Amino acid sequence: AQTVTQSQPEMSVQEAETVTLSCTYDTSESDYYLFWYKQPPSRQMILVIRQEAYKQQNATENRFSVNFQKAAKSFSLKISDSQLGDAAMYFCAYRSARGSNYKLTFGKGTLLTVNP
Amino acid sequence: GAVVSQHPSRVICKSGTSVKIECRSLDFQATTMFWYRQFPKQSLMLMATSNEGSKATYEQGVEKDKFLINHASLTLSTLTVTSAHPEDSSFYICSARDLNGFLEAFFGQGTRLTVV
Repeated sequence: AQTVTQSQPEMSVQEAETVTLSCTYDTSESDYYLFWYKQPPSRQMILVIRQEAYKQQNATENRFSVNFQKAAKSFSLKISDSQLGDAAMYFCAYRSARGSNYKLTFGKGTLLTVNP
Repeated sequence: GAVVSQHPSRVICKSGTSVKIECRSLDFQATTMFWYRQFPKQSLMLMATSNEGSKATYEQGVEKDKFLINHASLTLSTLTVTSAHPEDSSFYICSARDLNGFLEAFFGQGTRLTVV
């Protein structure tokens, strides 16, 4: 079974600074997808960024980028120019690319605080 | 973007009664919907996967007779918590996968269930 580990229960960053959230995963599969979701106080899950494992290029979405290290099974999220609205719980998630199983396996989450 | 609507957002019920939570995909057809449970400050735990027109697949440890799932159409799945107990109090979230196979699943806004 796949597992996702987020080793940082909490992180904080100053507004306008950069922060990196860590995520590692364990899988025997070679083809899969990785996601970062944001859950603000409203509890609505919002997709931040996704990465296909077969792509070597790291995904980027505006201020959000990932460092995907397939051999190390590492998938960290970098938030640049942090804003107060970035404060939320962040979840790393894994999904197999095999078959029709679209289940997501989530990490335990990292609570990000942005200080003004 | 794709919208998933979950209703109600909050519900309080008495012990022993049943409560139904609806999950609708508003602008796309969802062959597969997922139901999660989230305890305070914890991650999302997958309860079951529902496929339109067939029986739901429950995760290990989830009582299928207690958490009834129906996915009668391509846009609606329901979760019924039967004979509710205070320990069923939790945050329940659904997500839906687009029939056209977008990589990510889209999440509803969640339902806060309180059993008194």
